[in-house]
Amino acid sequence: DQQVKQNSPSLSVQEGRISILNCDYTNSMFDYFLWYKKYPAEGPTFLISISSIKDKNEDGRFTVFLNKSAKHLSLHIVPSQPGDSAVYFCAASENNNAGKSTFGDGTTLTVKP
Amino acid sequence: DAGVTQSPTHLIKTRGQQVTLRCSPKSGHDTVSWYQQALGQGPQFIFQYYEEEERQRGNFPDRFSGHQFPNYSSELNVNALLLGDSALYLCASSSGQGGWGGYTFGSGTRLTVV
Repeated sequence: DQQVKQNSPSLSVQEGRISILNCDYTNSMFDYFLWYKKYPAEGPTFLISISSIKDKNEDGRFTVFLNKSAKHLSLHIVPSQPGDSAVYFCAASENNNAGKSTFGDGTTLTVKP
Repeated sequence: DAGVTQSPTHLIKTRGQQVTLRCSPKSGHDTVSWYQQALGQGPQFIFQYYEEEERQRGNFPDRFSGHQFPNYSSELNVNALLLGDSALYLCASSSGQGGWGGYTFGSGTRLTVV
């Protein structure tokens, strides 16, 4: 039973437009959520996070939204750039221990020039 | 500033053998977590080390063991290798267990069991 799901394996958007990546979770004990970006042959790189006490966190072009009642979070990238093309992983953790995170299977984002 | 360093980058082992993977955390970090990533899947948590002790463990058999040294570096040992152990093994580090601001990952060790 997968506790963190990213239902879209891939997403393609035009440069300059908005990219929206979605993530659903089932464990109501999760209290800290993170997004990581991964380029080929590299490890995941932390992008942005959100605590369960918030519903939005913004960092430059990246915004994460959390809907606890729906157990859903999303990552918005505006505007999208070709360099954003990568695999994006959603991760969730309990007791604010991001070191013990449960990851989704990732969404491959392709931003076309 | 060096990030997380893992060695070796690739290795091939025979079923039934034992393997040791190594990780040096980012400078200033004292907590290390290990993950296994199968092809096409997200990383799966193996265990976490802090202050030289295993603090958290995921759903992995006892064949998977680890160690953290006084300089915060860490090892992952896998005994009696199975074909299903073939995967990318990722090490991640942070200052403290919480990981506010995320964990820093290494590029991983690609283990192939034949």
